[in-house]
Amino acid sequence: DSGVTQTPKHLITATGQRVTLRCSPRSGDLSVYWYQQSLDQGLQFLIQYYNGEERAKGNILERFSAQQFPDLHSELNLSSLELGDSALYFCASSVPPGLLYFGPGTRLLVL
Amino acid sequence: SQQGEEDPQALSIQEGENATMNCSYKTSINNLQWYRQNSGRGLVHLILIRSNEREKHSGRLRVTLDTSKKSSSLLITASRAADTASYFCATDGQTGANSKLTFGKGITLSVRP
Repeated sequence: DSGVTQTPKHLITATGQRVTLRCSPRSGDLSVYWYQQSLDQGLQFLIQYYNGEERAKGNILERFSAQQFPDLHSELNLSSLELGDSALYFCASSVPPGLLYFGPGTRLLVL
Repeated sequence: SQQGEEDPQALSIQEGENATMNCSYKTSINNLQWYRQNSGRGLVHLILIRSNEREKHSGRLRVTLDTSKKSSSLLITASRAADTASYFCATDGQTGANSKLTFGKGITLSVRP
């Protein structure tokens, strides 16, 4: 158990819908990272937050947004969902520049 | 494009044998990391090797790094069925920043009992 929690574990929704994925980092970790893992693209970095502020952006679509709250949990919002957004979404936390600790992931299926 | 690319894509061995997995990367790095992922689960960090290190050990794991060839290898000795998983290398693009970690597509290791 990495200490990083993610909810929900599974999510099934329809195209055009909006979903919110939630992540709680390890106790004491100020940084949260979001990754998307799909069969064709592999593991892609989406965005990083550090102590509530956006720190780095990767291959995140404009339809996606994230935030980190004062209690350090983070949410990833995915809107206008398309079939191609079906993937595993991972959250990871760290005390930069330390090691990444990954959560168990949320499996999103867009039908 | 992926910074780290693992080779082979899939590996099947018998329990007790050694497993060797390779990773090649394109640009200079500060460090290179190896992760394991059990099916459908989150990634677990295995080992980090810095650019000024050539070899590192952790239990049954041995990682080597050759910066002149831009390659790394992960050796798992005396493999067990529980080692069955996907293995990824990740490089930091010489930034030292986790946000710049790029992962390869992974190697699927199957260890037959």
